[in-house]
Amino acid sequence: SQTIHQWPATLVQPVGSPLSLECTVEGTSNPNLYWYRQAAGRGLQLLFYSVGIGQISSEVPQNLSASRPQDRQFILSSKKLLLSDSGFYLCAWSFNTEAFFGQGTRLTVV
Amino acid sequence: KNEVEQSPQNLTAQEGEFITINCSYSVGISALHWLQQHPGGGIVSLFMLSSGKKKHGRLIATINIQEKHSSLHITASHPRDSAVYICAVADIYGGSQGNLIFGKGTKLSVKP
Repeated sequence: SQTIHQWPATLVQPVGSPLSLECTVEGTSNPNLYWYRQAAGRGLQLLFYSVGIGQISSEVPQNLSASRPQDRQFILSSKKLLLSDSGFYLCAWSFNTEAFFGQGTRLTVV
Repeated sequence: KNEVEQSPQNLTAQEGEFITINCSYSVGISALHWLQQHPGGGIVSLFMLSSGKKKHGRLIATINIQEKHSSLHITASHPRDSAVYICAVADIYGGSQGNLIFGKGTKLSVKP
């Protein structure tokens, strides 16, 4: 069965520190993978999506980057976090009309 | 681009009440998802709909493709149902290869 793992669940990081959030999937190959962010009072917004290894598309300009080093691994990164990067980050993958979601990461930048 | 609107934004109910949360979208979709987000932040997928109606326990989800509208119903609500309920659509016109468009969520509080 298809599963998706995302970690950590919560993270508190100082301004200017780096960030690495990891997402891995099981039970599928060549999935479409997505990173979303939910800022306070807003809905989840697409940050990045990937249709294959090394293929990353960005939807909004930001202080973040994404990488897909392996077929079932999707990483969200930042070299230097800003206060505005605080929020809830969600990894997801889709197959046809089905979608599967990670547990999410609550990031607080202090 | 698809716009997803949920109503109400906030909902307070007494235990045992029947609850309805609504979701409307603006253009054609291939599927609609109802998600539950608990206070700790974790996301749980409740339903995926492309037509008709689905039921799981006390939860019922319906979709009307012609009216571009879906509802999530909770029967005999319980305090443990307190969470944010999110509607998301898989946009058939989406350029992002199956990207989901999310509503802002409905925050439900069920009082004992």
